[in-house]
Amino acid sequence: DTGVSQDPRHKITKRGQNVTFRCDPISEHNRLYWYRQTLGQGPEFLTYFQNEAQLEKSRLLSDRFSAERPKGSFSTLEIQRTEQGDSAMYLCASSIVVVQETQYFGPGTRLLVL
Amino acid sequence: TQLLEQSPQFLSIQEGENLTVYCNSSSVFSSLQWYRQEPGEGPVLLVTVVTGGEVKKLKRLTFQFGDARKDSSLHITAAQPGDTGLYLCAGTFGGNTGKLIFGQGTTLQVKP
Repeated sequence: DTGVSQDPRHKITKRGQNVTFRCDPISEHNRLYWYRQTLGQGPEFLTYFQNEAQLEKSRLLSDRFSAERPKGSFSTLEIQRTEQGDSAMYLCASSIVVVQETQYFGPGTRLLVL
Repeated sequence: TQLLEQSPQFLSIQEGENLTVYCNSSSVFSSLQWYRQEPGEGPVLLVTVVTGGEVKKLKRLTFQFGDARKDSSLHITAAQPGDTGLYLCAGTFGGNTGKLIFGQGTTLQVKP
């Protein structure tokens, strides 16, 4: 399978704990995006990378959130001191900019903070 | 700040009926995508439109992009239970960023 993969698919944690999610993009895709989706809503942009550079961060990304893409391939999203409001689906997408950019989404990581 | 309004939010119809979902923005889209999402999965791209007035067809799905590139519609002919899911429109609004701004989605249920 050469699609976008995310790990884990599900995560249950207690409030105050730290969690880390991983995203493996489609090979050779130079852009990688993180979105968050709550129940009944469309995804909201969090941040994106072009190669290893983080080029944009949403105001939604508080100081407790950090994302990395150290070698321009896989990416991690860490949430420190989780809160119940962090419960959501975290989606990763990758793309390559040619004439037109198309983002391909992974299956997401469902986070539940108790 | 770009906002996308999608309507209706919920739609429950019988198999064989037709339906239309609308997506409107206060700003001009650089490009617009329609996605379909099933529970517990990521969105799957259906189509991308970039040219005002563009019409694209994907089997029983017809996508239109408004002349002014501020609105779009998705029409499904003879809906089937397999069409059930969350339909999302998403747009880009220029600049070098490809970040997508999503509508809130339309939940479609097609009853057999």
